Amino acid sequence: DTGVSQDPRHKITKRGQNVTFRCDPISEHNRLYWYRQTLGQGPEFLTYFQNEAQLEKSRLLSDRFSAERPKGSFSTLEIQRTEQGDSAMYLCASSPRVSGNNEQFFGPGTRLTVL
Amino acid sequence: KQEVTQIPAALSVPEGENLVLNCSFTDSAIYNLQWFRQDPGKGLTSLLLIQSSQREQTSGRLNASLDKSSGRSTLYIAASQPGDSATYLCAGYLLSSGSARQLTFGSGTQLTVLP
Repeated sequence: DTGVSQDPRHKITKRGQNVTFRCDPISEHNRLYWYRQTLGQGPEFLTYFQNEAQLEKSRLLSDRFSAERPKGSFSTLEIQRTEQGDSAMYLCASSPRVSGNNEQFFGPGTRLTVL
Repeated sequence: KQEVTQIPAALSVPEGENLVLNCSFTDSAIYNLQWFRQDPGKGLTSLLLIQSSQREQTSGRLNASLDKSSGRSTLYIAASQPGDSATYLCAGYLLSSGSARQLTFGSGTQLTVLP
């Protein structure tokens, strides 16, 4: 499978716990994005990496959220002290380095439920 | 602030019909536009990308057009099939976002094709 992969696919946690999600982009893509999607809405941008550099962060990304891409390959998104409002689908996407082509390809998502 | 609007929110058609899904932007200054399909509980599948220099793209039974002057895009589906049933999302790189990297999504059109 050469698409974007995410792990885990589902996560159920109790309020106050920390959770970490992983995203493996398409191998030749140097750009990686995180989005959050709640029921009935389109995804909302969270953050963007070019290689290992985190170049953009949304104001939605509170200080409880942190994302890394240490070697410019896979990325992790950590949520500390989870709240019920964090329940959502967390989507990862990647796009190639070709100039002018920023078509984004999405993974299957990680569905987070905070009890 | 809702910057991308998709109409209708839901659509039900008999198999074989041609149909049009609409997407409009409050800010007509956009770079690229992408249409996606999302099946229930799944990630997003990229359908078509219209780059800033283009006006339309075609893939099989799908045709997407972009009119930047009016801030509108349409997705045309020919000879619809039950397997086309899904939520269709449009997303653009909007100048107002200050970024050519983050996609701004509409809430989607939920399409049901009846056999």
